Amino acid sequence: AQSVTQLDSQVPVFEEAPVELRCNYSSSVSVYLFWYVQYPNQGLQLLLKYLSGSTLVKGINGFEAEFNKSQTSFHLRKPSVHISDTAEYFCAVRAAGNKLTFGGGTRVLVKP
Amino acid sequence: NAGVTQTPKFQVLKTGQSMTLQCAQDMNHNSMYWYRQDPGMGLRLIYYSASEGTTDKGEVPNGYNVSRLNKREFSLRLESAAPSQTSVYFCASSEYPGHQETQYFGPGTRLLVL
Repeated sequence: AQSVTQLDSQVPVFEEAPVELRCNYSSSVSVYLFWYVQYPNQGLQLLLKYLSGSTLVKGINGFEAEFNKSQTSFHLRKPSVHISDTAEYFCAVRAAGNKLTFGGGTRVLVKP
Repeated sequence: NAGVTQTPKFQVLKTGQSMTLQCAQDMNHNSMYWYRQDPGMGLRLIYYSASEGTTDKGEVPNGYNVSRLNKREFSLRLESAAPSQTSVYFCASSEYPGHQETQYFGPGTRLLVL
């Protein structure tokens, strides 16, 4: 069975500072990787996804993530955050034939 | 184009009461999903419907039933609510059930069972 670990449950960060959210997964087969964002009192929306090809994936709102197969990681980064990036971020993994599995989420609080 | 809509937004139930959560999508998607979200646990799949006329259990199906009423609508029923079912429920849809597919989420239903 696949599992997803988001190592940080909360990440406080100052406005205009960089942020990295860590995600590790366990799966012995090829996987497809996703990052979703949930703004307060809203549903989830897709930030970016890795299906194949370049290991560096660019998403919406200036976010990017890097797939590292040897370390089974898919960390999310943004070089300069805004107040509007305050949200909860979920990493999700799907292997062929399996359902989408979510990590526990990381709450990002951007401080002025 | 409203995407995925859910009703109600909030609900308070007493233990043992029943209720149905409604979900509809207007994107002509084939697959629909019900998740529950609990603090620190991410989202867990309750049931899904890969296509109209089919439903399957997910990770945490106990205490729930679903109906894929037509291609647009997928409802979740709690026959006898328990406090452990206090959660935020999300409906999602995708064009196909494939592993590459992006899922689109509704705004959620917050349920409190007393």
